[in-house]
Amino acid sequence: DGGITQSPKYLFRKEGQNVTLSCEQNLNHDAMYWYRQDPGQGLRLIYYSQIVNDFQKGDIAEGYSVSREKKESFPLTVTSAQKNPTAFYLCASSTTRQETQYFGPGTRLLVL
Amino acid sequence: DQQVKQNSPSLSVQEGRISILNCDYTNSMFDYFLWYKKYPAEGPTFLISISSIKDKNEDGRFTVFLNKSAKHLSLHIVPSQPGDSAVYFCAASLSGGGADGLTFGKGTHLIIQP
Repeated sequence: DGGITQSPKYLFRKEGQNVTLSCEQNLNHDAMYWYRQDPGQGLRLIYYSQIVNDFQKGDIAEGYSVSREKKESFPLTVTSAQKNPTAFYLCASSTTRQETQYFGPGTRLLVL
Repeated sequence: DQQVKQNSPSLSVQEGRISILNCDYTNSMFDYFLWYKKYPAEGPTFLISISSIKDKNEDGRFTVFLNKSAKHLSLHIVPSQPGDSAVYFCAASLSGGGADGLTFGKGTHLIIQP
């Protein structure tokens, strides 16, 4: 069954702590993306990667970091530098030839 | 400054009637537009898209219209069904070939009333 998985569904972060959100896809897509959604807002692009071992900052990359060591995986780390991390985080993937992106189920991050 | 705008936060339509969701954009370099449907606490689901070289694309009950001169697009759902109740996001792409990020509007909450 092809698709995008994100884990965990809910994640709690303590002050000053780094947390990592997982995103895996078995669609054989080259490109992967991370977005953040806040209540009443649209999705905003954090980071994206068009190919393994390469990634670019999106509109709101400050306080976040990513890696792309494998085609299937694009983990996002929310660092302690991100002062307002509470949000719904969405991972997506696409081919490099099409604009259509397919999304995972999301991870809700809450700060304790 | 928002480049993709959905000015109606919510829209209520009777079941069986037409739902029309609107989206405006400011960046004339956008060349591909998409509509996504989203339920609470879930990821968005792709619905339909349109390239800037077209002015209409149809897929079953869903039709997207693009007016480039007005920088406006709309999604028509006919007939509206209860399962259509969700938040609909308009998104635009600059890339012309894929693999860059999308720019999203804030969404319109569509409510289908029985």
